[in-house]
Amino acid sequence: ILNVEQSPQSLHVQEGDSTNFTCSFPSSNFYALHWYRWETAKSPEALFVMTLNGDEKKKGRISATLNTKEGYSYLYIKGSQPEDSATYLCASLSNSGYALNFGKGTSLLVTP
Amino acid sequence: DTAVSQTPKYLVTQMGNDKSIKCEQNLGHDTMYWYKQDSKKFLKIMFSYNNKELIINETVPNRFSPKSPDKAHLNLHINSLELGDSAVYFCASSQGTASGGRFFGPGTRLTVL
Repeated sequence: ILNVEQSPQSLHVQEGDSTNFTCSFPSSNFYALHWYRWETAKSPEALFVMTLNGDEKKKGRISATLNTKEGYSYLYIKGSQPEDSATYLCASLSNSGYALNFGKGTSLLVTP
Repeated sequence: DTAVSQTPKYLVTQMGNDKSIKCEQNLGHDTMYWYKQDSKKFLKIMFSYNNKELIINETVPNRFSPKSPDKAHLNLHINSLELGDSAVYFCASSQGTASGGRFFGPGTRLTVL
């Protein structure tokens, strides 16, 4: 995988549903994986930065896991709320680079 | 207090003009960036700068140049604007380039007519 790929592209769930998204990234020369939340008309906001294989991070109802050997990360949202509606971006950083390589994001819509 | 601020928020200008976008961060971070959100909504790095090093994405035309008067500011100058430069430009900062989460500004929507 040369680029960061995210799936699904968009997701529509009902309030209270739990959901998850996938981020695939180049596993060679991996250094760090970032997740961002981007609400409409706002700027991206950092959720997690993970560097270690098997790492798991949690913030409230949102958590993320990391597999650096196979090059993927999952973002989980438990009990989705309408305020969780946003685009969720992941980005990888290689140990030979300085710049985050962003995916296109997963657009989540949570309806009451 | 706004952590990363950009001005102006909107910029409409004619092709061929020269314009600047200002960025300031009050987080005490050592690294600042400029990103361009392209037509497909991708965030693409343009520049990374700290007090030691400026790193330029080689795909960025040399009409774009960053200017940093001090650690808290990284302004973006664009010469001879072209239609294709129309986009949203985001400034960001972080502590270090590796594991520091990026703090983004609100974005500047540039429209070139």
